[in-house]
Amino acid sequence: RKEVEQDPGPFNVPEGATVAFNCTYSNSASQSFFWYRQDCRKEPKLLMSVYSSGNEDGRFTAQLNRASQYISLLIRDSKLSDSATYLCVVNRGATNKLIFGTGTLLAVQP
Amino acid sequence: EAGVAQSPRYKIIEKRQSVAFWCNPISGHATLYWYQQILGQGPKLLIQFQNNGVVDDSQLPKDRFSAERLKGVDSTLKIQPAKLEDSAVYLCASSPIARQGLPYEQYFGPGTRLTVT
Repeated sequence: RKEVEQDPGPFNVPEGATVAFNCTYSNSASQSFFWYRQDCRKEPKLLMSVYSSGNEDGRFTAQLNRASQYISLLIRDSKLSDSATYLCVVNRGATNKLIFGTGTLLAVQP
Repeated sequence: EAGVAQSPRYKIIEKRQSVAFWCNPISGHATLYWYQQILGQGPKLLIQFQNNGVVDDSQLPKDRFSAERLKGVDSTLKIQPAKLEDSAVYLCASSPIARQGLPYEQYFGPGTRLTVT
């Protein structure tokens, strides 16, 4: 079993739709959590950190459920420019080691 | 602020040949990471340096892969000899020094796309 699991998609949605991505992690000692975005043939870039209290950045909302070891990302009012792969990432702690999921591909259609 | 620099951007070699990748991290970042990203997968950490010391190399195939960061700045990753399954994008990332309970964002370079034929 992979340490971080995501649905690889692809998710094909029309512009303006709301889309949700889910992710589970297996190591209960994981300390911090992130969503990274990776455009085609580009490097990953931090989208947002994920906190137990939930956090929002414009159209993006991230949520963490430590009891269920579950992380989510909600994108509202999807734009064409949101088309990318979204990587769920877990930080194991002291050494800042990141464990990446396989990524979920989002394609927003006009 | 200049980002993480990597070269070359693309490399095609035959199996059993050797290859080297170079990375220059963001100025002042003490921690440097090399990742391997195979098509359709997320990046996998190969080795992590803090200054010029190795913090984690548990997933580095040491029979063929080696990496160094001699002066605590630039780093090179070498594969010798290459296998077909080494075809991937090799990403370098850097961050400020890691401290207990205080994860720092990792900044990635553009990567080197390696094709082994």
